[in-house]
Amino acid sequence: DAKTTQPPSMDCAEGRAANLPCNHSTISGNEYVYWYRQIHSQGPQYIIHGLKNNETNEMASLIITEDRKSSTLILPHATLRDTAVYYCIVRVVWSGGSNYKLTFGKGTLLTVNP
Amino acid sequence: DTEVTQTPKHLVMGMTNKKSLKCEQHMGHRAMYWYKQKAKKPPELMFVYSYEKLSINESVPSRFSPECPNSSLLNLHLHALQPEDSALYLCASSQESRGPHEQYFGPGTRLTVT
Repeated sequence: DAKTTQPPSMDCAEGRAANLPCNHSTISGNEYVYWYRQIHSQGPQYIIHGLKNNETNEMASLIITEDRKSSTLILPHATLRDTAVYYCIVRVVWSGGSNYKLTFGKGTLLTVNP
Repeated sequence: DTEVTQTPKHLVMGMTNKKSLKCEQHMGHRAMYWYKQKAKKPPELMFVYSYEKLSINESVPSRFSPECPNSSLLNLHLHALQPEDSALYLCASSQESRGPHEQYFGPGTRLTVT
């Protein structure tokens, strides 16, 4: 799987948009970008995923650059409950082999401040 | 229902004990996963089951023995563990192991080996 690079930590004010960047410059054509988050001592939670188009759901928006080498997760109105480690992961979704692993990197600790 | 349940929530065991962790999902998912997460580290994949067959073993020591009795259940049998095996053990499931399917995680079992 392609590797990702994320800042180790970010701060955001409550009610403002949180923009979390991720670099994945070696991404392949058969790899999607996934975002998960993990609130302290809980299991990871799926947020969103995409291939090349921008995606939006009830939790967040995912903006992928045209060359697919980077992406940004946007939480439009961050709340205190959004404080968590956010993981950007690129994952093979179709392949002749069986390597469909989800490999977590170190992630970004987002702290939402009142 | 998008819930993955894990029991027990906490487990303390001695190095000579035998215990089992249990994971259950009723989403009709055909892929199930075990991850291990040490403190302040990202989750690491241990095993993948696809259609009740073991498809990935990430070179996990034999003192960890997974079992998938049916499509809804996943067990992790533990025997002769070491103190360094103390960690949060996470179970996850997805519609299939291949394809752009998100994984749903349980809350985890926090294991302490004494």
